[in-house]
Amino acid sequence: GQQLNQSPQSMFIQEGEDVSMNCTSSSIFNTWLWYKQDPGEGPVLLIALYKAGELTSNGRLTAQFGITRKDSFLNISASIPSDVGIYFCAGQQDTGRRALTFGSGTRLQVQP
Amino acid sequence: GAGVSQSPSNKVTEKGKDVELRCDPISGHTALYWYRQSLGQGLEFLIYFQGNSAPDKSGLPSDRFSAERTGGSVSTLTIQRTQQEDSAVYLCASTPWGAGGYTFGSGTRLTVV
Repeated sequence: GQQLNQSPQSMFIQEGEDVSMNCTSSSIFNTWLWYKQDPGEGPVLLIALYKAGELTSNGRLTAQFGITRKDSFLNISASIPSDVGIYFCAGQQDTGRRALTFGSGTRLQVQP
Repeated sequence: GAGVSQSPSNKVTEKGKDVELRCDPISGHTALYWYRQSLGQGLEFLIYFQGNSAPDKSGLPSDRFSAERTGGSVSTLTIQRTQQEDSAVYLCASTPWGAGGYTFGSGTRLTVV
């Protein structure tokens, strides 16, 4: 089945540092999304990408949709303690099963 | 409602019992999804409802799992004869048309003892 390889699995950084995480797939996706999950909550959408090569920012977050349509990355600049959580990438195809395929997550911890 | 509502938020059940989990999607959202998240893991697709189309059940792990969506709105996920490996957080999500970003509920944490 479809799989998304997300890395790193976890990160422990100092407040103010920049963070980068990425996802790769053996399949082509037409939509890439990045979610954040806080403890005890469902994932919340951060950024959605709909075109190959697209670079989109949302405040301190920047994400890109890879040209090959098989990868995406998320950068967080100047991290703050509330960035702590689990970040998931997700891909969707336009045909066949419309459900999102999720990566296994990147657990981010920020030391104040 | 304003968001996706799931109930109960927590459920502890004995092995072998049946459980029902409820999801109330955002009003007007035609697509509804169920996912399962085991401890420390990513989200595993279970089932997808889109309007009046036949549901995509390709992610259901066994025939003990079933789901309904009545009237195109509320959905119920039923797990029969629960097993300890069914322990997980069950998340429901909805979207207006089945594409793009979902809105997730807070999930039901199921513990089978």
